[in-house]
Amino acid sequence: GEDVEQSLFLSVREGDSSVINCTYTDSSSTYLYWYKQEPGAGLQLLTYIFSNMDMKQDQRLTVLLNKKDKHLSLRIADTQTGDSAIYFCAEENQGGKLIFGQGTELSVKP
Amino acid sequence: ETGVTQSPTHLIKTRGQQVTLRCSSQSGHNTVSWYQQALGQGPQFIFQYYREEENGRGNFPPRFSGLQFPNYSSELNVNALELDDSALYLCASSLGPAENYGYTFGSGTRLTVV
Repeated sequence: GEDVEQSLFLSVREGDSSVINCTYTDSSSTYLYWYKQEPGAGLQLLTYIFSNMDMKQDQRLTVLLNKKDKHLSLRIADTQTGDSAIYFCAEENQGGKLIFGQGTELSVKP
Repeated sequence: ETGVTQSPTHLIKTRGQQVTLRCSSQSGHNTVSWYQQALGQGPQFIFQYYREEENGRGNFPPRFSGLQFPNYSSELNVNALELDDSALYLCASSLGPAENYGYTFGSGTRLTVV
């Protein structure tokens, strides 16, 4: 079956790095995504990674993919208070359907 | 280039009623997907429309139905509303139905069923 799991909460200090982890089950997923959702808002695409890649870096964001363990992580360097939000990991199945995790609430303390 | 717009932003309905939610896709996008996000949960796929035809459906009952129009805008209809239908309904449009055409999400419609 298709399932995506994330830890529910993460709290960090401003300026620290944040690491949000995700596991997924569908080994046929070719794209994996990270979305950000601020209170009362829709989903904002942060970054994505193709399944034949191990790592992707985009400014403060680093995505690591361990395809063998079906583990995905998002690292945010120099975390700011504006990064406080809920972060969703999603895998995309071959039909173009996104399967989301439950979301990780990131709290950044000054 | 406009993004995805959804209307209304908020809606309150009574159990048993019917509701129609609307989505205007981003310019150039021919595929629309609908998701339901219950409070504290991740979005769940309802269905996808590609060139006016349903192109995949999630685990939702038939009282959830949709339409896509020639301009690629879309409607989500829910009949016989239940309390558990209270959620944020998100629409996403993309250039096509296959993988990684890129999804643009709207801000959602917050539906409350009382």
